[in-house]
Amino acid sequence: DGGITQSPKYLFRKEGQNVTLSCEQNLNHDAMYWYRQDPGQGLRLIYYSQIVNDFQKGDIAEGYSVSREKKESFPLTVTSAQKNPTAFYLCASRRGGWGTEAFFGQGTRLTVV
Amino acid sequence: KNEVEQSPQNLTAQEGEFITINCSYSVGISALHWLQQHPGGGIVSLFMLSSGKKKHGRLIATINIQEKHSSLHITASHPRDSAVYICAVEGGSQGNLIFGKGTKLSVKP
Repeated sequence: DGGITQSPKYLFRKEGQNVTLSCEQNLNHDAMYWYRQDPGQGLRLIYYSQIVNDFQKGDIAEGYSVSREKKESFPLTVTSAQKNPTAFYLCASRRGGWGTEAFFGQGTRLTVV
Repeated sequence: KNEVEQSPQNLTAQEGEFITINCSYSVGISALHWLQQHPGGGIVSLFMLSSGKKKHGRLIATINIQEKHSSLHITASHPRDSAVYICAVEGGSQGNLIFGKGTKLSVKP
């Protein structure tokens, strides 16, 4: 079955450490997205990629980095520069841009202690 | 002011009740999405619509582009419908989605 896989589901890290969240899709989608979800807030866009080897900053990119070396994979690194990294992170993909259905992963809950 | 506003924020219903969740937006859009998020966190796409009305099982979604408003209806609600329902619009520069804060629905047996 096609879908998006995020791993791990729960992640704990010490403050000051970088951590990479995995997102893999086998839907052959060109566009992939990373969102952050905080309690009481809507999903906010961190980074997105419309094509391999290209990505753009979203609304809250500071303290994060991404890569898109393969169409199927769009890992997100939460760096030590991110002031408040504890959150729920969701990866999504779409076949194209406008007017295409969005598919979401199960999310990764990151806790920094 | 948020570009996408949902109401109500929280909704408790008895099993069998007809439920309506509303979404208003302030930007020009090409499409609107209704999503469902279960307690585990994963999100499922329910509808994508740009005009009129769509129906899937007990779920109905409508949109009025002129009034910049959409509604999600659930007929004969069931406890398994309990989830957060999220409205998102395509208003970003490259079809990026702008999300509402969600409506938390709890259906009691």
